[in-house]
Amino acid sequence: EAGVAQSPRYKIIEKRQSVAFWCNPISGHATLYWYQQILGQGPKLLIQFQNNGVVDDSQLPKDRFSAERLKGVDSTLKIQPAKLEDSAVYLCASSSQGIYGYTFGSGTRLTVV
Amino acid sequence: LAKTTQPISMDSYEGQEVNITCSHNNIATNDYITWYQQFPSQGPRFIIQGYKTKVTNEVASLFIPADRKSSTLSLPRVSLSDTAVYYCLVGDNFNKFYFGSGTKLNVKP
Repeated sequence: EAGVAQSPRYKIIEKRQSVAFWCNPISGHATLYWYQQILGQGPKLLIQFQNNGVVDDSQLPKDRFSAERLKGVDSTLKIQPAKLEDSAVYLCASSSQGIYGYTFGSGTRLTVV
Repeated sequence: LAKTTQPISMDSYEGQEVNITCSHNNIATNDYITWYQQFPSQGPRFIIQGYKTKVTNEVASLFIPADRKSSTLSLPRVSLSDTAVYYCLVGDNFNKFYFGSGTKLNVKP
């Protein structure tokens, strides 16, 4: 079974620029999550999708972050404009009801300078 | 949502058994207890999940007392490659899980 694919692996941008991350979940997984992990901390949930609908985006900074999941498969997370404090690893995960646990991708490491 | 408390770090030596305990006093009736392992530069990886008593797989064992207010992840005969951060989460499989800060396990030769 193929894992959760994420790209790019690394990204360096200047503050106030925009950036987008892509995630392809495991085939058939209806639920998709985006997490932000700052160095030394546990992952923080940003947004949860069920198919192509948003279930929870309460911790997503909506003034600069946006996410979409077209056709209930791939998802993109965008930051515009980026701030220095957005430097983190952005993790995508997917899960299927009835199958315990999430499967995470390797993440995108974002550095804002 | 149930909040979890784990030790920040633990040290062990190769070949020893390691037990990491997690407190979750406010666990709900429908919540499961799930443990993840994370290596540097990788996403967390599912280790084990349980609801009550004991669960064992090829990697670890999970012990859950009757009141379910805590759980213990047991790693038998650890090796250097088990050095990682271990996260304890509680939640319903149909809802989101929240990660705490985890336990950084350092296995020494």
